[in-house]
Amino acid sequence: NAGVTQTPKFRILKIGQSMTLQCTQDMNHNYMYWYRQDPGMGLKLIYYSVGAGITDKGEVPNGYNVSRSTTEDFPLRLELAAPSQTSVYFCASTSQPPTQYFGPGTRLTVL
Amino acid sequence: RKEVEQDPGPFNVPEGATVAFNCTYSNSASQSFFWYRQDCRKEPKLLMSVYSSGNEDGRFTAQLNRASQYISLLIRDSKLSDSATYLCVVNPRLTGGGNKLTFGTGTQLKVEL
Repeated sequence: NAGVTQTPKFRILKIGQSMTLQCTQDMNHNYMYWYRQDPGMGLKLIYYSVGAGITDKGEVPNGYNVSRSTTEDFPLRLELAAPSQTSVYFCASTSQPPTQYFGPGTRLTVL
Repeated sequence: RKEVEQDPGPFNVPEGATVAFNCTYSNSASQSFFWYRQDCRKEPKLLMSVYSSGNEDGRFTAQLNRASQYISLLIRDSKLSDSATYLCVVNPRLTGGGNKLTFGTGTQLKVEL
């Protein structure tokens, strides 16, 4: 199993651009999560999903959107990127909450 | 008050030392507790769960004090490879709500020769 994979690893965006961060897991996990981690800060939950077709907001959802059309994929969409969205983004999944397994992260810079 | 509070460190200790990290949480109804380890520029990985009775995994011992809303992690005989940031993590609910986790900001450990 590859576990949780994320693409891209790095990305630089200009203000106002849009992009999709990809997250895929091959463990047949129902639960999936998106976090962001800023320097010196704890991980903050952006969105989560308890199964295909079901998503809900976390602590910091503004400026982001998600979809969950399959069990495996949970993409995170950034519309109109802003400098405040510069961060490291982690995707996580689990079949046995609350333990979570994380992907390697995407480092995003918005200039 | 933050939901999960940790001393950010860094804790600089010599190899072979014993080091302890503490964490407090604000939600008295919290149900599950964990320590995650995060290496520099890497993803968090589960180190161990924390139980009321205390639990040990090799050189690592975790303790939970529900009355004081306090969690600890003890590392004995520190190795250079233990250098990392240790995240205190709390699940505030038993079921439902997506079993969301609340992360502390982490305590940085540097083990030196």
